[in-house]
Amino acid sequence: AQTVTQSQPEMSVQEAETVTLSCTYDTSESDYYLFWYKQPPSRQMILVIRQEAYKQQNATENRFSVNFQKAAKSFSLKISDSQLGDAAMYFCAYRSAQGGSEKLVFGKGTKLTVNP
Amino acid sequence: EAGVAQSPRYKIIEKRQSVAFWCNPISGHATLYWYQQILGQGPKLLIQFQNNGVVDDSQLPKDRFSAERLKGVDSTLKIQPAKLEDSAVYLCASSLAVFQRNMNTEAFFGQGTRLTVV
Repeated sequence: AQTVTQSQPEMSVQEAETVTLSCTYDTSESDYYLFWYKQPPSRQMILVIRQEAYKQQNATENRFSVNFQKAAKSFSLKISDSQLGDAAMYFCAYRSAQGGSEKLVFGKGTKLTVNP
Repeated sequence: EAGVAQSPRYKIIEKRQSVAFWCNPISGHATLYWYQQILGQGPKLLIQFQNNGVVDDSQLPKDRFSAERLKGVDSTLKIQPAKLEDSAVYLCASSLAVFQRNMNTEAFFGQGTRLTVV
C-alpha cells in the first residue's frame, strides 16, 4: 500500500518570503501522480499543483513549484513571494496511474502560517 | 461551473443515533468519492463510485456505514449507529476519472460536512 508522509506539522513564513513544504512517499509503482492540495480554514480543498511521475521536469504554477525527486521518493512544494492568502493546511497526495482505483492517498498535512 | 455541493455543513448528534450526508457532484463527473477527515489527519477514502457502481470500499466500516449513488449522480452516506470516533469532516469529491492508463484528471472537493458525535 502507498503511504505519504509530511514531516512538518506546522510551518511559518513572512509575507513575500519563500517557504518549502516537504513530502515523501512510498510506493512500488512506477506510474503515478503527485499532488499538493490547499485547504483554507472552513473552506474546500483545492488543487495547487500536480506532477506526473513519468515527467522529469518539475511542475510550476505561478508562485508554486515542486521539486520532484523520483529516486528519493520526495516531492516538496515551494511557495515564492508568500501572500497572506496562502495561509492554509497543505496536503501532499499520491494517486496511482494504473486503472482500478484512482483514490488519492493523503499525508497528514502541514499548517502554513503567513506572518505580515 | 457549479462545484461539488454537500449538505448539511454541520451536524451534531448523540452516539448511537443515525445521520445521513448528501453530495451532488459536478455535472458529468462519473467518479465520486467520500473521504473521512479526522481532526489533525489527512483525508481517508471511505468509498469510491464509478457511475453508480462501487470501485473501492475497502476502508468503509460496513457494520455502521453505508453509501449509495442512485442513477450515478447524487450520493448519500449514512452512519447507523454513530460512535464518538466518527466525529470528523466528511468530504465528497468528484472527477472525470475513467479507467485509462495515464489519464490524469483532477478531483474537485466539496466544503464537507462537519459531524460531531457527543
